[in-house]
Amino acid sequence: AQTVTQSQPEMSVQEAETVTLSCTYDTSESDYYLFWYKQPPSRQMILVIRQEAYKQQNATENRFSVNFQKAAKSFSLKISDSQLGDAAMYFCAYRKNNAGNMLTFGGGTRLMVKP
Amino acid sequence: DTEVTQTPKHLVMGMTNKKSLKCEQHMGHRAMYWYKQKAKKPPELMFVYSYEKLSINESVPSRFSPECPNSSLLNLHLHALQPEDSALYLCASSQPTVSKETQYFGPGTRLLVL
Repeated sequence: AQTVTQSQPEMSVQEAETVTLSCTYDTSESDYYLFWYKQPPSRQMILVIRQEAYKQQNATENRFSVNFQKAAKSFSLKISDSQLGDAAMYFCAYRKNNAGNMLTFGGGTRLMVKP
Repeated sequence: DTEVTQTPKHLVMGMTNKKSLKCEQHMGHRAMYWYKQKAKKPPELMFVYSYEKLSINESVPSRFSPECPNSSLLNLHLHALQPEDSALYLCASSQPTVSKETQYFGPGTRLLVL
């Protein structure tokens, strides 16, 4: 079975600084997708970034980028120029291709942003 | 438009009540999901509907009864719940025919069972 591990229950960052959230996963599959979701205190889960395992290039979305290391099964999220609105729970998730739609979530990292 | 809507936002019910949660999406997605989320925990999958048919039931107690009346609507009927069922209930949808299939979540219904 696939597992996703987020080893940092809580992180804090100073506004305007850069922070990296860690995620590792365990799978025997070669074709899969990885996601970072953000859930602010208002509760709605929002997709931050998506990475296809077959792509070597790391995905980026504005201030958010990932460091995808397939051999090491690592998928970290880097947030640059942190803003107060980045404060949220961040969940890393894995989905096997053709998996019947199921996501496997990590335990989450709570990010606090200090003004 | 990646909007999934859920009603009500908050619900308080007694253990003998019957209530329903509603989820709606107009993105043409053909897969819809119910998740249960406890505080500071990741969502736990409850049910998956694919093309309006129940495809996954994660051993959820029968006091939770899902229904998918059409491709845009998903309901969760609640009956004789227990206090430990208090949680945030999230709905999500996705389009299973695309290779970059991604789930989009609604804002959730905060349920309190007294």
